[in-house]
Amino acid sequence: GDSVTQMEGPVTLSEEAFLTINCTYTATGYPSLFWYVQYPGEGLQLLLKATKADDKGSNKGFEATYRKETTSFHLEKGSVQVSDSAVYFCALSDDTGANSKLTFGKGITLSVRP
Amino acid sequence: GAGVSQSPSNKVTEKGKDVELRCDPISGHTALYWYRQSLGQGLEFLIYFQGNSAPDKSGLPSDRFSAERTGGSVSTLTIQRTQQEDSAVYLCASSLGGWSNQPQHFGDGTRLSIL
Repeated sequence: GDSVTQMEGPVTLSEEAFLTINCTYTATGYPSLFWYVQYPGEGLQLLLKATKADDKGSNKGFEATYRKETTSFHLEKGSVQVSDSAVYFCALSDDTGANSKLTFGKGITLSVRP
Repeated sequence: GAGVSQSPSNKVTEKGKDVELRCDPISGHTALYWYRQSLGQGLEFLIYFQGNSAPDKSGLPSDRFSAERTGGSVSTLTIQRTQQEDSAVYLCASSLGGWSNQPQHFGDGTRLSIL
């Protein structure tokens, strides 16, 4: 079945540091890939997505590239801010099977200190 | 409102009671999903609706869990004879047509606590 593996957390960075959060996946079909973010006390929000190989999703300074050859979708940001402190979830969805449910990684908590 | 709305936002109940959780999806979204978020299990899929039909109920953890959707809109998730392991945040999401390339939009969830 489908699965998503995220790097272990938590991650603590200083403001303006470079961020990479690793995500790899296994899927039976050709999935779409997503990063969702959950800020403290808030619900899950879509951060970015990529729907086919070599697509790059980007939003709020974050980027991730769909790499089919390495089955990866790593999240990067060049300069993090305190306001980026949140839990980040990598997820996939594919159209094989009965529905396009999301399969999530375990999530990783990012804390950015001033 | 423009987003997915869930109610109640918090629910505390005694073990053995029944609970009903409500989800109001984004208008026009035909696909609706329920997920559960708990510390030990992360985010788990429960059930998927396309219109009023539920073609995939494979994530429901036991026959104490059921869900329905009426009018292609509002959905209710019912848990009968609640157990302590049912304590979690129950999330609802909707998407425009249910295709994999269409993002799912989440509500803020219902935090369920079983005493």
